[in-house]
Amino acid sequence: SQQGEEDPQALSIQEGENATMNCSYKTSINNLQWYRQNSGRGLVHLILIRSNEREKHSGRLRVTLDTSKKSSSLLITASRAADTASYFCAAQTNRDDKIIFGKGTRLHILP
Amino acid sequence: GAVVSQHPSWVICKSGTSVKIECRSLDFQATTMFWYRQFPKQSLMLMATSNEGSKATYEQGVEKDKFLINHASLTLSTLTVTSAHPEDSSFYICSARAPWGGGGQPQHFGDGTRLSIL
Repeated sequence: SQQGEEDPQALSIQEGENATMNCSYKTSINNLQWYRQNSGRGLVHLILIRSNEREKHSGRLRVTLDTSKKSSSLLITASRAADTASYFCAAQTNRDDKIIFGKGTRLHILP
Repeated sequence: GAVVSQHPSWVICKSGTSVKIECRSLDFQATTMFWYRQFPKQSLMLMATSNEGSKATYEQGVEKDKFLINHASLTLSTLTVTSAHPEDSSFYICSARAPWGGGGQPQHFGDGTRLSIL
């Protein structure tokens, strides 16, 4: 079964606003990753945060990880129309290195 | 950066046909590749872990005789959907993890194969 749960399932915001997506997982992890998927396409890796890290930045992306709560968040600042996509968190388990995906958030940036 | 190539990107075929999907790591050797299945507007579900030189490890509920996986070389894994039926129609995605950089590296994904069974 999938380990990750994400909220919201769908998010529509105005261009220029910040978008925040949350993810929770169930077991011990090695790291947590965020991916982006445009409709009908493969996945693009955005950012990886290790279990001993609490926050990481990459351009307009900011990721936090709280291992005590088994949760992570992805913040996209100053959103653009091109950010419209589905975003998935993916937890890499400690036990067997598998990556289990969350259900995803469909982000729609309104012009 | 690491590149994973998946082929074909789209296939339409009749019910009962067997379909082979290839996943290649183009610039690195991948001892382990993963196969996922994604239904419309849903997340990726891990189907199996493909291990070079040994049998694949299937997730619970995935029929190994239905989804044959072969990982004959360090750069190629194949998924064969045998005797495909309309319910097998889905988006299939493979991934591989580059071996460099120690533990905790991101997986690199192919662009996926959209399979439509008529």
